Amino acid sequence: QVQLVQSGADVKKPGASVKVSCKASGYTFTNNDINWVRQATGQGLEWMGWMNPNTGKTAYAKKFQGRVTMSRNTSISTAYMELSSLRSEDTAVYYCARGVSGTYSDYFDHWGQGTLVTVSS
Amino acid sequence: DIQMTQSPSSLSASVGDRVTITCRASQSISTYLNWYQQKPGKAPKLLVYAASTLQSGVPSRFSGSGSGTDFTLTVSSLQPEDFATYYCQQSYSVLWTFGQGTKVEIK
Repeated sequence: QVQLVQSGADVKKPGASVKVSCKASGYTFTNNDINWVRQATGQGLEWMGWMNPNTGKTAYAKKFQGRVTMSRNTSISTAYMELSSLRSEDTAVYYCARGVSGTYSDYFDHWGQGTLVTVSS
Repeated sequence: DIQMTQSPSSLSASVGDRVTITCRASQSISTYLNWYQQKPGKAPKLLVYAASTLQSGVPSRFSGSGSGTDFTLTVSSLQPEDFATYYCQQSYSVLWTFGQGTKVEIK
């Protein structure tokens, strides 16, 4: 079965960077995009961007351009999301999600369990 | 960016009620609209994709409709396990966006 397993919770100081991993199993890693979505406590879902694991091509939400980098290691079926210049407002649960390209829509059919990133001095 | 606006932001309903949530896009998105359900402390779960296609395993009491800019998610008879927050999401543009969410609470 498809599984996305993310790295554990992390605490960072303001100005630092964080790198979250997402290990895929149960399907061919390079066949589906990996998206990243975050959710601050008590807030809604915020799409951050996607990466094509086959080509490495990425697209980032304007809010995160210049601060986020999505990458992958195909040999271990793992995607990464690195966010730099962290500030307190970046405290959130970060999810990876598998993208599916359908005929009439693209969507996320499987999600990781989430990784809590806390930014605090 | 395409903005997605859900209404209402929250609602109270009873078990057995029919519930409808709406989602409006700031421009036409054809049927590139998906619905997710999220329970506290859990990752979101896909309910409906392409505006009206039910994801495998999702109960038939859930249905989606709409195209262009206006969409609805309907729960025909609310069950105890349906109390959650629901999000719409567009995938029409390269940069995807979610609605702000609708919290369905027990009356």
